Amino acid sequence: QQPVQSPQAVILREGEDAVINCSSSKALYSVHWYRQKHGEAPVFLMILLKGGEQKGHEKISASFNEKKQQSSLYLTASQLSYSGTYFCGTEIGSNFGNEKLTFGTGTRLTIIP
Amino acid sequence: DAMVIQNPRYQVTQFGKPVTLSCSQTLNHNVMYWYQQKSSQAPKLLFHYYDKDFNNEADTPDNFQSRRPNTSFCFLDIRSPGLGDTAMYLCATSRDLGGRVNEQFFGPGTRLTVL
Repeated sequence: QQPVQSPQAVILREGEDAVINCSSSKALYSVHWYRQKHGEAPVFLMILLKGGEQKGHEKISASFNEKKQQSSLYLTASQLSYSGTYFCGTEIGSNFGNEKLTFGTGTRLTIIP
Repeated sequence: DAMVIQNPRYQVTQFGKPVTLSCSQTLNHNVMYWYQQKSSQAPKLLFHYYDKDFNNEADTPDNFQSRRPNTSFCFLDIRSPGLGDTAMYLCATSRDLGGRVNEQFFGPGTRLTVL
């Protein structure tokens, strides 16, 4: 079953913060985050493994709560280059050896000057 | 630069006329994926290879076939395209992480239009 992301879309002014949520109905081993700009391929942002870790990548960070089967992506002081559609990809905990992700419903982020 | 290349970038075909999309990689990754992405939707996995082991998703139509003749190349064959197969087809590769999913590197995609 496809993970659900919220919000579906958000518009921010440059410099504002955003939080994107990803929720799964299944027990997860890992959550992956990708950004896709219009007409381009998805680009990897980060992987979070179960254990409640939080990762950061410059002004973009994420957390993973495996008990709630949820992950959140945090964008701080957003820049114009952050615009795009963000997808979480979930790896089911019991799926060892199957090596596949199910991508979430997506969140379209628009940053305006 | 190491990369994932897809050809053609754009393909227009007629209803029912077979089409083949290709993907090549210079990353020497052993896992390769084919995704279908329709407008405003998430990428949907069609199948993937772990080395030469083929893994088909249960809901991938029989109309879609794939070949991986060697580590570097992978092909997607659509035997009788329907109008509903109009989409972007994305190839991705990753390095095996001991049975778990690793970072995926995507090609630029092939935009297929079925008329």
